[in-house]
Amino acid sequence: TQLLEQSPQFLSIQEGENLTVYCNSSSVFSSLQWYRQEPGEGPVLLVTVVTGGEVKKLKRLTFQFGDARKDSSLHITAAQPGDTGLYLCAGAGYDYKLSFGAGTTVTVRA
Amino acid sequence: DAGVIQSPRHEVTEMGQEVTLRCKPISGHDYLFWYRQTMMRGLELLIYFNNNVPIDDSGMPEDRFSAKMPNASFSTLKIQPSEPRDSAVYFCASSSVGASEQYFGPGTRLTVT
Repeated sequence: TQLLEQSPQFLSIQEGENLTVYCNSSSVFSSLQWYRQEPGEGPVLLVTVVTGGEVKKLKRLTFQFGDARKDSSLHITAAQPGDTGLYLCAGAGYDYKLSFGAGTTVTVRA
Repeated sequence: DAGVIQSPRHEVTEMGQEVTLRCKPISGHDYLFWYRQTMMRGLELLIYFNNNVPIDDSGMPEDRFSAKMPNASFSTLKIQPSEPRDSAVYFCASSSVGASEQYFGPGTRLTVT
């Protein structure tokens, strides 16, 4: 059983459309991180959110941490083929361990 | 910086053989993590070290798995004997401040036949 539930599992959209990926848990985390992984490579950190209610923007990507620090969302505006990949959320406990969600596979068609 | 380095990138071995995976963390990082990724179970933490000392090995699946970190720039994950169900991608990651901002290596794809 995954500590973090990600939805949807798969997402296929046309270039220029918007998309949102959700990450939910019943546990409280000290911080939550989002990674993107491309085939044959390791996950690459996109952002870390720490404060409940926090919103961070990275170009066309917007990350939000829930007020109770149990959930998060990733929104991509005007998606491009380069956004294609596996998006992973990870919750950080106070013991320096990360718990990863199962991931959302995003495909952006040109 | 070269990032986290793992070797080999691919390993194919027969059941019962010993397998050793290697990792060089980013210089100056004092935390090192070993993960395993499969389609069924996703990304799982196996063990992590702080200042070369194993802190939590609760994710190590069984006694066939062992990990060492003899110095700050090198770690190994050994499987002996290997089994087909060990087939997965194994990642090493390092961090300078514990759980935040972990940097992953490219992974070792292990296939046990």
